Amino acid sequence: GDSVTQMEGPVTLSEEAFLTINCTYTATGYPSLFWYVQYPGEGLQLLLKATKADDKGSNKGFEATYRKETTSFHLEKGSVQVSDSAVYFCALRRRDYKLSFGAGTTVTVRA
Amino acid sequence: EAGVAQSPRYKIIEKRQSVAFWCNPISGHATLYWYQQILGQGPKLLIQFQNNGVVDDSQLPKDRFSAERLKGVDSTLKIQPAKLEDSAVYLCASSSLNVRGGTEAFFGQGTRLTVV
Repeated sequence: GDSVTQMEGPVTLSEEAFLTINCTYTATGYPSLFWYVQYPGEGLQLLLKATKADDKGSNKGFEATYRKETTSFHLEKGSVQVSDSAVYFCALRRRDYKLSFGAGTTVTVRA
Repeated sequence: EAGVAQSPRYKIIEKRQSVAFWCNPISGHATLYWYQQILGQGPKLLIQFQNNGVVDDSQLPKDRFSAERLKGVDSTLKIQPAKLEDSAVYLCASSSLNVRGGTEAFFGQGTRLTVV
């Protein structure tokens, strides 16, 4: 079935470091792809999305590009801050609106 | 715009007891999801509604879990009887439909269930 696989964590970085979290997907058809973020003690929030191949989603300095040829949707940020410490989830939505999540990657940014 | 509302926020019960969770989605959202998130894992879809019909409940443990969405708006998720392994955060989410395939899902704060 359709699924997403994301890199395992935890990831620990220093402030202003470059962050990449890998996400690959398996799907029939052309799913929409999302990154959600979960800050400590809070619910899931949409970070960015892409609905078709070559789309680039961006928000709060984060970017991810929908790569159909490599079935990937890697999340990147050029300079992380302590406030970016959170759990990041890659997700896929099929045309029947079924929404599947990866296992999550915990990111800790140290000052 | 009001977000997805869930209650209660926290619940502690003994094993073999029953519990119910309530969700009020964003107004006008046709699709409603219930997820189970065990500590350290990604959310696992339990059931997906479109209006008041079930689209997918393949991962719902039907011997103990049940869910309904009367009138295509609010939804309740029930566990009876609860087991220790049901300890998790139960997330409700909703999304709208449009001719281009829908929008992203919006999540509530979740209900943290502890079964002792």
